[in-house]
Amino acid sequence: DGGITQSPKYLFRKEGQNVTLSCEQNLNHDAMYWYRQDPGQGLRLIYYSQIVNDFQKGDIAEGYSVSREKKESFPLTVTSAQKNPTAFYLCASHGGQHNSPLHFGNGTRLTVT
Amino acid sequence: GDSVTQMEGPVTLSEEAFLTINCTYTATGYPSLFWYVQYPGEGLQLLLKATKADDKGSNKGFEATYRKETTSFHLEKGSVQVSDSAVYFCALSDQSYGKLTFGQGTILTVHP
Repeated sequence: DGGITQSPKYLFRKEGQNVTLSCEQNLNHDAMYWYRQDPGQGLRLIYYSQIVNDFQKGDIAEGYSVSREKKESFPLTVTSAQKNPTAFYLCASHGGQHNSPLHFGNGTRLTVT
Repeated sequence: GDSVTQMEGPVTLSEEAFLTINCTYTATGYPSLFWYVQYPGEGLQLLLKATKADDKGSNKGFEATYRKETTSFHLEKGSVQVSDSAVYFCALSDQSYGKLTFGQGTILTVHP
């Protein structure tokens, strides 16, 4: 079955450590996205990539970095510069057709203490 | 910039009650409108969509009509079930690609 796999489901880190969240898709989608979800705030766009080896900042990119070396993979690194990293992180992909929906993974819940 | 405003939650209903979740939007162009649903511990799934004014999206008993004159896309269901308990997000896309602007989400709890 085609879909988006995010791993791990739960992640715990100490403050000051960088951490990388994995996102893999087998939908053959060109575009991939990272969103952050906080209670009562909906989803906010961190980074997105419309094609391999290219990506753009979203609305809240500070303290995050990404890479897009392969079409299937779009890992997100939460750096120590991110002031409030504890959140639920969602990866999504899009097939490129006008008005087609985003496909989401099941998310990674990151807790930093 | 674009924005989406959803009714304040949480919403608590008894089974078989009528559901309305209000959604209004601000956009400079002619956006497509979406409702997504998130079940506990999962990502978001597309529930329904509408791409132009007066379109009605429908799925699993849920409906929403794109009202350009009131810039609204309210979600309705005639008879909710316990299994409808989830978080519902209204969203818009003002571009051809998948960059969406989301509302803050509305938590729905349905009791037997």
